[in-house]
Amino acid sequence: AQKVTQAQTEISVVEKEDVTLDCVYETRDTTYYLFWYKQPPSGELVFLIRRNSFDEQNEISGRYSWNFQKSTSSFNFTITASQVVDSAVYFCALRSLTGANSKLTFGKGITLSVRP
Amino acid sequence: GAVVSQHPSWVICKSGTSVKIECRSLDFQATTMFWYRQFPKQSLMLMATSNEGSKATYEQGVEKDKFLINHASLTLSTLTVTSAHPEDSSFYICSAPRGISTYNEQFFGPGTRLTVL
Repeated sequence: AQKVTQAQTEISVVEKEDVTLDCVYETRDTTYYLFWYKQPPSGELVFLIRRNSFDEQNEISGRYSWNFQKSTSSFNFTITASQVVDSAVYFCALRSLTGANSKLTFGKGITLSVRP
Repeated sequence: GAVVSQHPSWVICKSGTSVKIECRSLDFQATTMFWYRQFPKQSLMLMATSNEGSKATYEQGVEKDKFLINHASLTLSTLTVTSAHPEDSSFYICSAPRGISTYNEQFFGPGTRLTVL
């Protein structure tokens, strides 16, 4: 069975602070994808990143960076110099690449509030 | 990029009525579409997998007679909530991977907010 744990439920920061969103996953599969999605108040999911289980390189995209560590089954997401527009719910998700029906398993989400 | 649309974006209905939600892939064909439900302040839960030309596969605990899914073409899947009740009020989101393989990147629709009075 697959499981994604986002232990933090709500985080509140002041603008320009850095913030890290944690994600820990469980899977028996050796090949899988990990994702981060952003869900602003409008509700539409915004894709942020996909990481293959074979690629442990960290990635940076502008103010966003991701730290994938297979040894600890974690895929953490850091926002540098946060902005008010970053306020949203952030979901980490896991998707197996084996099996006939590849399902996306979401964590419970982290509500990030960035105050001006 | 690929776009998935949903219609309506929101709907309010009376208890006991049925509501149909459409999910369309606008610039690609999708043999499979996924339907999720999200209650307020909760995560997305997969309800069912919609397969073009065949029966949908429902997740455990989801009533197939209450949530009717029809995937009649390669660009359209519909979810009908039959005899809706207030507890069915939720945010319904569909997603579709581009192409045949379900391993392909999934594109999410904007969601449909259902309120049952």
